[in-house]
Amino acid sequence: GAVVSQHPSRVICKSGTSVKIECRSLDFQATTMFWYRQFPKKSLMLMATSNEGSKATYEQGVEKDKFLINHASLTLSTLTVTSAHPEDSSFYICSASETSGHGGRETQYFGPGTRLLVL
Amino acid sequence: RKEVEQDPGPFNVPEGATVAFNCTYSNSASQSFFWYRQDCRKEPKLLMSVYSSGNEDGRFTAQLNRASQYISLLIRDSKLSDSATYLCVVSVYNFNKFYFGSGTKLNVKP
Repeated sequence: GAVVSQHPSRVICKSGTSVKIECRSLDFQATTMFWYRQFPKKSLMLMATSNEGSKATYEQGVEKDKFLINHASLTLSTLTVTSAHPEDSSFYICSASETSGHGGRETQYFGPGTRLLVL
Repeated sequence: RKEVEQDPGPFNVPEGATVAFNCTYSNSASQSFFWYRQDCRKEPKLLMSVYSSGNEDGRFTAQLNRASQYISLLIRDSKLSDSATYLCVVSVYNFNKFYFGSGTKLNVKP
């Protein structure tokens, strides 16, 4: 299957700092990438859909000024958590959508995730 | 109503057992269906796509029932390593929107 990388894998930062997370599709081009957040023992929560060359689409309740998304190329999307606070501590996972197979089926492939801890 | 619903479990089964999960979806226009597996503190990994004709991969069999709007996953001869959370994912073709179930937790015990 397709490979998606995510960097960094872990971040510990002080409250008030900004953290940037990168998501890359390594062997395919992804016009669409997705950003999720997952709290312990909870399901994945879609935060936003990142479209190459255009503004991201945020899910209800997700502050776009808090979670800045940039999808400047077909292989890279970034999520910046601005002025992070302890409640932003979570597991952030990106995924990239690949179109393949008969009929152009789209499949999501996930990055390994980034554990953010805000002190 | 949620787009995709799954029984959260946990399903506790002995090694060697056969276990089945169902997942229902609400949008009749849904066209792509997947099962993902997520291990604790890891990202989801694609287990298998679900085709209209059904799909089998070793001990795993996925079925789609469009009339009743559900997909199923059957695991035969369960292994300890099958213990994980199984996520049902549904998308509406070309809308680039994927809907996730909350996951079904499977514990395979010796």
